[in-house]
Amino acid sequence: DGGITQSPKYLFRKEGQNVTLSCEQNLNHDAMYWYRQDPGQGLRLIYYSQIVNDFQKGDIAEGYSVSREKKESFPLTVTSAQKNPTAFYLCASSIAAGTYEQYFGPGTRLTVT
Amino acid sequence: AQSVTQLGSHVSVSEGALVLLRCNYSSSVPPYLFWYVQYPNQGLQLLLKYTTGATLVKGINGFEAEFKKSETSFHLTKPSAHMSDAAEYFCAVSGSFSGYSTLTFGKGTMLLVSP
Repeated sequence: DGGITQSPKYLFRKEGQNVTLSCEQNLNHDAMYWYRQDPGQGLRLIYYSQIVNDFQKGDIAEGYSVSREKKESFPLTVTSAQKNPTAFYLCASSIAAGTYEQYFGPGTRLTVT
Repeated sequence: AQSVTQLGSHVSVSEGALVLLRCNYSSSVPPYLFWYVQYPNQGLQLLLKYTTGATLVKGINGFEAEFKKSETSFHLTKPSAHMSDAAEYFCAVSGSFSGYSTLTFGKGTMLLVSP
């Protein structure tokens, strides 16, 4: 089955540690996105990538980093500089640059204490 | 810049009643509009989309939405609510960010369905 996988589903970390969230897609999509979701806040764009080896900051990129070395993979690192990292993180993809319909993974819930 | 306003963070209906979830958007160019549904602790699933053409759009699970340019609205409706419709619904509008194609999402409306 084609789709987007995110692992793990739940992740717990101590404050001050960096943590990397995985996102893999087998849809052969060019574009990939990371969103953060907080209750009552909707989805806020962290980073996006239109093609391999290219990515752009979204609205709330501070404290996050990404890489796009392979078309199917777009990992997100939450660094210790992120002041409030506890949230639900969603990865999405779309067919190509210029297309708007996005397909979402199941999400990773990160809790930092 | 584009924006989305969803009126009502929570909407409660009885099973069998009409569902109406409101979405108003702002966009400087002709928009593409989307409704997504999210069940607890899951990702978002596309319900329906408007790109061009017919302004009444039908989606999955009996939902539909009508694009009204004069009102800058894209409200989501379903004639008869089912318990399984209880979820959070997000409206989104197309746009660009630093020259790249993106979606801007509303804050979401939680639909509560009572027996």
